[in-house]
Amino acid sequence: SQQGEEDPQALSIQEGENATMNCSYKTSINNLQWYRQNSGRGLVHLILIRSNEREKHSGRLRVTLDTSKKSSSLLITASRAADTASYFCATDFRASGSRLTFGEGTQLTVNP
Amino acid sequence: EADIYQTPRYLVIGTGKKITLECSQTMGHDKMYWYQQDPGMELHLIHYSYGVNSTEKGDLSSESTVSRIRTEHFPLTLESARPSHTSQYLCATASGVNEKLFFGSGTQLSVL
Repeated sequence: SQQGEEDPQALSIQEGENATMNCSYKTSINNLQWYRQNSGRGLVHLILIRSNEREKHSGRLRVTLDTSKKSSSLLITASRAADTASYFCATDFRASGSRLTFGEGTQLTVNP
Repeated sequence: EADIYQTPRYLVIGTGKKITLECSQTMGHDKMYWYQQDPGMELHLIHYSYGVNSTEKGDLSSESTVSRIRTEHFPLTLESARPSHTSQYLCATASGVNEKLFFGSGTQLSVL
C-alpha cells in the first residue's frame, strides 16, 4: 500500500501532556498534510508540509518531515480535552496525479 | 461565508432504493472529491472532479456514479443501494493541485 500509516493507532494522555503521532509512507511525495476529525464529522485541515520543508509550526502544533526516512510526526503540546479526536496524515504522492491518500489515523484521547 | 454543504446528514434506506447524496460548495473551487469512510478507518477516494464535465473514478472501486454539471455541485448517486454501501460519505473541495482539502460534515448512510 502507498498509504500513510499512522502510529500509534490509539493514544491516551492526561491534559497538559504532549502528544506525538507518527506517519510513515512508501513513495516520494509532493507534500504531506495532517487532518483532525471529531467523531462522526468531516475532517479539518491542520498543517501542510512540502517535501522540501523539514519543520512547520502552527500554534500548539509542530510537524516534522524526514523524507530520507519517509516519515512525519505531529506533536501537540500542552494538550487539552478538546484535542480529543482522530488525527490523519494524508500524502500527495508524485505518481498519484495529485490525489491525497489517507492513513488509518491515530485516535487521541486527552483525559481531563 | 464560503462553505461546503452535504445533505442529508443521516439517511436510512432499504435495499434496492436509488439515492443521491448532495454536495454543494460556495468556495468557488474547481476540484471536488468524494471519500468513503467506515467507522474508525481510513478514507478511500471513490470519485473526483477537476472541473465542470470532468469526473474520474478514485482508488476504491465503487458502484456509485457522480456528475459535475455546475462548479458548485457534485452529487453522488447509488442506483440500487445494498447493505455493503453502509458507510460515511465525505465530500471535499480544493482550490488547486497539492493544496489542502476542505471537507463537508458528511452523510452517514445506513442500508437495511
